[in-house]
Amino acid sequence: DAEITQSPRHKITETGRQVTLACHQTWNHNNMFWYRQDLGHGLRLIHYSYGVQDTNKGEVSDGYSVSRSNTEDLPLTLESAASSQTSVYFCASSPGTSGSLEQFFGPGTRLTVL
Amino acid sequence: RKEVEQDPGPFNVPEGATVAFNCTYSNSASQSFFWYRQDCRKEPKLLMSVYSSGNEDGRFTAQLNRASQYISLLIRDSKLSDSATYLCVVNTGGNQFYFGTGTSLTVIP
Repeated sequence: DAEITQSPRHKITETGRQVTLACHQTWNHNNMFWYRQDLGHGLRLIHYSYGVQDTNKGEVSDGYSVSRSNTEDLPLTLESAASSQTSVYFCASSPGTSGSLEQFFGPGTRLTVL
Repeated sequence: RKEVEQDPGPFNVPEGATVAFNCTYSNSASQSFFWYRQDCRKEPKLLMSVYSSGNEDGRFTAQLNRASQYISLLIRDSKLSDSATYLCVVNTGGNQFYFGTGTSLTVIP
């Protein structure tokens, strides 16, 4: 069955380190998204991509970067991790071209920055 | 002002009760509306889209009021398995989605 996976599921890192969170989907969806979820906030969009080589900034993109070298993967990189980036990160994908706006979410990565 | 606002609850209701959640949005040009369900420590999953004419899926009814800029979700005959957080989601065009903070529902035996 097609799916969307994230790795690692849990990560503890130190301030200043570079961290990369992986997201892989096997639906062949064009659109992929990264969100963070914090108490008191809804999911907030970090970056998104409409297809290979396309990336766009979302609402809270500072300190994060993404790259899209193929359809299946959209890794999220924290260039220099900060304690404010402690959060749960969700990757999502959607078809983009079929008219459906439904987003399918991965299981999430819980990141702690000490 | 937040794009999407929801009453966080919690809503604690007995089994069999009817419960309703509202969600307001600030952008009058918003185009599409959804309710997602999120179980504790899990990923959000689409519950239902919300259409202008209102729509029903079993025990769940969603409605949109464009004039007042709110959407609602009604759950009839609540089940224990309905306990979750319900997220209101608004699409303002393209792939710009805004999520509410969620409304927590606990259905009590």
